[in-house]
Formats: sequence, C-alpha cells, structure tokens
Amino acid sequence: NAGVTQTPKFQVLKTGQSMTLQCAQDMNHNSMYWYRQDPGMGLRLIYYSASEGTTDKGEVPNGYNVSRLNKREFSLRLESAAPSQTSVYFCASSPGLFRSYNSPLHFGNGTRLTVT
Amino acid sequence: SQELEQSPQSLIVQEGKNLTINCTSSKTLYGLYWYKQKYGEGLIFLMMLQKGGEEKSHEKITAKLDEKKQQSSLHITASQPSHAGIYLCGADLGGGADGLTFGKGTHLIIQP
Repeated sequence: NAGVTQTPKFQVLKTGQSMTLQCAQDMNHNSMYWYRQDPGMGLRLIYYSASEGTTDKGEVPNGYNVSRLNKREFSLRLESAAPSQTSVYFCASSPGLFRSYNSPLHFGNGTRLTVT
Repeated sequence: SQELEQSPQSLIVQEGKNLTINCTSSKTLYGLYWYKQKYGEGLIFLMMLQKGGEEKSHEKITAKLDEKKQQSSLHITASQPSHAGIYLCGADLGGGADGLTFGKGTHLIIQP
C-alpha cells in the first residue's frame, strides 16, 4: 500500500523561482491537507480540500496556491519562492472532513524544501 | 500562544526506563491524536482518544485523556531504541479550518 505519496523528496530553489509540490493518495479519501513543519513552530495547516473541486485556507496560506486536480491528487504551488518558505511540507488525507469523520489523518513522508 | 503545549520539549532516557509525555490544551478537548515521527520521515498515527478518561494501549505505549484537565499523557514502559523519535499530539480545537492543530512535539532520545 503506497498510501500518501509526495514528490519530490528534496528541492532547492532560488528566491523568486516557482515550483509545484505533488501529492497523491490511493486510499480513495475525499479530503486532503497540506501542512508545513518548521523548527520551534510545529506543524501548521496551509490549505485543505474537503472534496474534489473545493479548497480552503488554513492557518498560513499566504504565498501558496493549491489545486485539487482530481480525487487522488492535491498539489501545492509556490509562485515566487522566498527564504521564509524553507520548510518541510507534508501532505495528508482523510476519508472525509476531519470534523465529520473524526478519523486520523494519513501523512506522506514530506518534501524538504530549501529556498536560498 | 500555543494552543497545544507539549512537555517536555526533549527527553533523554536510558533504555529500559519508563517515561511520560504530556499534551495540554488551552481549549476544550473533544478528541486527541498521538503521532510519532522518525527523523526525516512522515508522521505515523499511534492512537486516538475520544472520551474523557479514555485510556488506550499499543504494545508498550499507553495514552490517557483527562478532559477536565484538558490534558493527555503518553506513557512508554521499558523504553527501547525503537521508541526514539518525535512524538506529536494533535486535536481539533475548533476555528474556521478543518484538520488537526498540533503541538510542537517532544524529541525522545533513548540512550543504550
């Protein structure tokens, strides 16, 4: 079982460059989430998608855009990367909205992004 | 201020010893999730606690939820090197966005 797959695993960008982080799940989950993890800050929610075709802002959405391409895939885009976006990014999925299903989030292994 | 406070931030324990990690919420807890993260990897779900007073165990790890104290504790008995990693608690604390709010994590090191 692949679960939640994130690509790439590592990425180095220069300030101002753009890139898209990819996430795919094979568990037929409806809801997907993007978090970032920073030392001393813990995990913070960037965006989430309750179902295909919908996206909503989390705690720290500025500087990011997301696309729920289909039920399986949820991508995170940095249009103009900044050093403050250096972080580890995690994608997660859930059968449905967490508050409705009260089911644990399933996480990918993360993408380690450095912006110089 | 942090809505989910974990203590201690880091812990070094000799192999075979017991240890406890705490997670305290500034808001009412309707459920509490514990995850483990190995360095450089993703989060692995450990346990979910949904009712006050609930206690769950998995192998040598036991977690309890005290709704009155808005607190959960994770206890490891007879620690092993495989227990090393970062332990994170997560909860739905309300607010506009769906998903879990996480504590900053407790770094656990097991010394042989």
